[in-house]
Amino acid sequence: TQLLEQSPQFLSIQEGENLTVYCNSSSVFSSLQWYRQEPGEGPVLLVTVVTGGEVKKLKRLTFQFGDARKDSSLHITAAQTGDTGLYLCAGWQVSGTYKYIFGTGTRLKVLA
Amino acid sequence: SQTIHQWPATLVQPVGSPLSLECTVEGTSNPNLYWYRQAAGRGLQLLFYSVGIGQISSEVPQNLSASRPQDRQFILSSKKLLLSDSGFYLCAWSVRRASYNEQFFGPGTRLTVL
Repeated sequence: TQLLEQSPQFLSIQEGENLTVYCNSSSVFSSLQWYRQEPGEGPVLLVTVVTGGEVKKLKRLTFQFGDARKDSSLHITAAQTGDTGLYLCAGWQVSGTYKYIFGTGTRLKVLA
Repeated sequence: SQTIHQWPATLVQPVGSPLSLECTVEGTSNPNLYWYRQAAGRGLQLLFYSVGIGQISSEVPQNLSASRPQDRQFILSSKKLLLSDSGFYLCAWSVRRASYNEQFFGPGTRLTVL
């Protein structure tokens, strides 16, 4: 059973468009991290969200943690080709398995 | 600053051959260390993690094993590879007893078993 579901699974958009990626679970997390991974490389940490309802901005990327700390979203404004990659959410469960788990991933392709 | 190294970068091995992948971390002490396997373009599957020298926890029963002979060295091994062992192997570290389990990944090893 995959405990962190990401949607959409794949996304192909034109440069300049906006997009949102979702990370959902029925479990509560003490914090959630977002990573971006480029082909053939390891994931790179983008941000950590900790408090329910928290919003963090990283240039054109906006991350939000759900009020109940069960879900998170990543919004990209005016996507660029450099945003292309696999986006992964991950977090430490505070219920259920009490493990650090990764989401299913969203593969984003931004076309010039 | 901290850096994490993995080698080799790519590896092609026949079925039944042994495996040894190495990971080392620089610039930090007493890290938590992790081995993951990633299927093509998808999420990560945790294989092993270690909170200290000689302390290994296995998440998935399989023909792989891990060892931590030194504080900042983590090794993934197999005595006999299977076709299903093919994949992208990632080593990661995190700060021990940190408030958040932010993980920092190495460049990965692409393993192909033929």
